Amino acid sequence: DTAVSQTPKYLVTQMGNDKSIKCEQNLGHDTMYWYKQDSKKFLKIMFSYNNKELIINETVPNRFSPKSPDKAHLNLHINSLELGDSAVYFCASSPMGQGKAFFGQGTRLTVV
Amino acid sequence: AQSVTQLDSQVPVFEEAPVELRCNYSSSVSVYLFWYVQYPNQGLQLLLKYLSGSTLVKGINGFEAEFNKSQTSFHLRKPSVHISDTAEYFCAVSRPNDYKLSFGAGTTVTVRA
Repeated sequence: DTAVSQTPKYLVTQMGNDKSIKCEQNLGHDTMYWYKQDSKKFLKIMFSYNNKELIINETVPNRFSPKSPDKAHLNLHINSLELGDSAVYFCASSPMGQGKAFFGQGTRLTVV
Repeated sequence: AQSVTQLDSQVPVFEEAPVELRCNYSSSVSVYLFWYVQYPNQGLQLLLKYLSGSTLVKGINGFEAEFNKSQTSFHLRKPSVHISDTAEYFCAVSRPNDYKLSFGAGTTVTVRA
């Protein structure tokens, strides 16, 4: 069974659209994350949730809104998509405070 | 805040040769250190981690890393690589009870026959 699963795997959309990426983990972890990997493969934290509460918001534009309906899910909604939002977005989870994160397969977002 | 520097952006290596990927970190407090591997078009997979204890850490797929506090380094090594080790390798750091990983820029390892 997949530990951290995110959907869709690929997402192509036009500028100005609104889109969502879903993430689910079945590891029983308390903490979930969204990371962004740019075209140069650099990985940067966007958000971190612990027990459904927002812990980290790393100066991400407010067009990005994470939502955690329960401990096992962390979705990412993006409004008014821009060309610069094109990237691979990774969901991850970890036991609280241990840093060791399990990553999903990524969602490759292409804004045209 | 903690940060990580991976000293090599690309490392070409021949099959069955050894490889070392260099990682230095900076932090004013104790840290946890990690190496992750990303195969093409896939997510990140944990290779190994250092939390405390023995400074020589063994991971999956024959990789190992050594934590050196005085040199603030956590270099990754494998004595004999395979074609299948071709991937992107990321060093990462976090603080105990922190809620994020800070990644280095990555090292591309290309193994040739």
